[in-house]
Amino acid sequence: GQNIDQPTEMTATEGAIVQINCTYQTSGFNGLFWYQQHAGEAPTFLSYNVLDGLEEKGRFSSFLSRSKGYSYLLLKELQMKDSASYLCAGEGYQKVTFGIGTKLQVIP
Amino acid sequence: ETGVTQSPTHLIKTRGQQVTLRCSSQSGHNTVSWYQQALGQGPQFIFQYYREEENGRGNFPPRFSGLQFPNYSSELNVNALELDDSALYLCASSLGVSGNTIYFGEGSWLTVV
Repeated sequence: GQNIDQPTEMTATEGAIVQINCTYQTSGFNGLFWYQQHAGEAPTFLSYNVLDGLEEKGRFSSFLSRSKGYSYLLLKELQMKDSASYLCAGEGYQKVTFGIGTKLQVIP
Repeated sequence: ETGVTQSPTHLIKTRGQQVTLRCSSQSGHNTVSWYQQALGQGPQFIFQYYREEENGRGNFPPRFSGLQFPNYSSELNVNALELDDSALYLCASSLGVSGNTIYFGEGSWLTVV
């Protein structure tokens, strides 16, 4: 089966750090995606983790633990423009299953 | 810009009608997937096409069908439209069926009245 769980909403302060967690159950698991989606727009790619560990890409980092079925997205030095939905998605058997998305609000 | 283009961007249809949505994949990408995203939800996988063959399907009824052409562009067809089909339809292309970055188009907003 395919199941992705992530919080529906989070609020964080500009300049701070926020961690968005995701747990997954994905048949034939290959890897895990994180996408950013601003309201009314298409999702844009942030990261794809296949191996365990942390991958850093500028202000954004993504972590994967395959044994725990767990991932997180870490956003540092938050900016107002980071207010968006963050989608966690597991890939397995030629199918990508998305979570509902975490709506992040960055406040001054 | 991802290089994935979709048309039309917005359309309104009546319940029971049929609709065709189109997608041009990023240059060189041989795999196209279609997703339905209802308001406040994550994208739901409809199906994937690889080299003109359906390569995987989500939990959508047969009235959702598709095609992929030799140039890897694709169509999504929905017959007998229902009110619940109102959503954003996203096309995504990638090089290969798994393990590669998926690039989304801007989507087609479908409203069924």
